[in-house]
Amino acid sequence: AQKITQTQPGMFVQEKEAVTLDCTYDTSDPSYGLFWYKQPSSGEMIFLIYQGSYDQQNATEGRYSLNFQKARKSANLVISASQLGDSAMYFCAMREGPSEKLTFGTGTRLTIIP
Amino acid sequence: DAGVIQSPRHEVTEMGQEVTLRCKPISGHDYLFWYRQTMMRGLELLIYFNNNVPIDDSGMPEDRFSAKMPNASFSTLKIQPSEPRDSAVYFCASSLDPSGSRKQYFGPGTRLTVT
Repeated sequence: AQKITQTQPGMFVQEKEAVTLDCTYDTSDPSYGLFWYKQPSSGEMIFLIYQGSYDQQNATEGRYSLNFQKARKSANLVISASQLGDSAMYFCAMREGPSEKLTFGTGTRLTIIP
Repeated sequence: DAGVIQSPRHEVTEMGQEVTLRCKPISGHDYLFWYRQTMMRGLELLIYFNNNVPIDDSGMPEDRFSAKMPNASFSTLKIQPSEPRDSAVYFCASSLDPSGSRKQYFGPGTRLTVT
């Protein structure tokens, strides 16, 4: 089974609208961390937001928030008031237990339409 | 503060040649990671170090790949001999433990093309 599943290969969203990028994960370890990274066309990987498995509240970082539903094993990224500069690939990733290894999903290509 | 530095940014080589990719992590970070990104396999971890010691090299494809970290500020990933299927973007990342998320900071990547 895939550890990280991103079911949306591509999305088109109108500028200023909110967008939700889906991510589901699979782990049996009670301690894990979930990450979202952005990869613009220039190629670099940019950290956006983190959610720990024991965190009581959903993580927020500016326009980014993580909709963490532990029972459903989902960690969706919500971008509010999308901007043209948000057009990029978005990757969900997970770290399990004491390992520092990140396992990445296949990514979602987000395109913001003016 | 400088981020993770990788060199070269682009490398084109012929099949059979040795390739060496270099990485300087963020000063003070004690974890260093090497990732490979391809269209077919996505982003996958090759190896990571903690305090210059390799911890998990289970992602290293085969014996043609080797990685070293002789000191806290430098690491290399070597491919010998290189093959066309090694063409990919290779990322180096570093992180600091313990620090909450222990998020990884990525370098700009090295785009390797093997002809």
